[in-house]
Amino acid sequence: DTGVSQNPRHKITKRGQNVTFRCDPISEHNRLYWYRQTLGQGPEFLTYFQNEAQLEKSRLLSDRFSAERPKGSFSTLEIQRTEQGDSAMYLCASSPGQPSSGNTIYFGEGSWLTVV
Amino acid sequence: AQSVTQLGSHVSVSEGALVLLRCNYSSSVPPYLFWYVQYPNQGLQLLLKYTTGATLVKGINGFEAEFKKSETSFHLTKPSAHMSDAAEYFCAVSLPTSGTYKYIFGTGTRLKVLA
Repeated sequence: DTGVSQNPRHKITKRGQNVTFRCDPISEHNRLYWYRQTLGQGPEFLTYFQNEAQLEKSRLLSDRFSAERPKGSFSTLEIQRTEQGDSAMYLCASSPGQPSSGNTIYFGEGSWLTVV
Repeated sequence: AQSVTQLGSHVSVSEGALVLLRCNYSSSVPPYLFWYVQYPNQGLQLLLKYTTGATLVKGINGFEAEFKKSETSFHLTKPSAHMSDAAEYFCAVSLPTSGTYKYIFGTGTRLKVLA
């Protein structure tokens, strides 16, 4: 069990540029989540995949954000035309079953984004 | 809608003293409850969780929490603080109803352990 892997761990980008983060979940987990965390706040839900299907998106996920999970394995989160307000840590998590069944979700170490 | 309130954004305790981190939730149905710990520049690690059954839950690193339905609370405790416990702690809820796929997190409590 190698855990949830995210890269890059840190990204500094200029405002207006596009950035992409990658997440590799725990291999037997078919559910994958993206959260965003800003300083002094708890993680906020962004989106959720079951296998390759994106089943839920938060209103926080504006049109500039897109997430994919081709073939139900790794996932990417792309932010287009970045803004300073996008600066945050982007956390990926995975689980073997639904949280509503009490299954734990396991988090990666996060990808820090700084938009300058 | 469910929500989580963590009282005290910062808590300081002396090494060896009792740790008490407070978490209250609001939910229309009894939720599943979780405590996570986050060390600097790292992701979240599960400490413990309550789903059903015994209301006193033991977790890793000597932490435990008790689900009190009447008080809508799930406070985290540890009898004796260690320097390595210094971190940020998050309480989270998940509803045991179909169609809910996400956790709702509190704003976190930063624990400082004084030598």
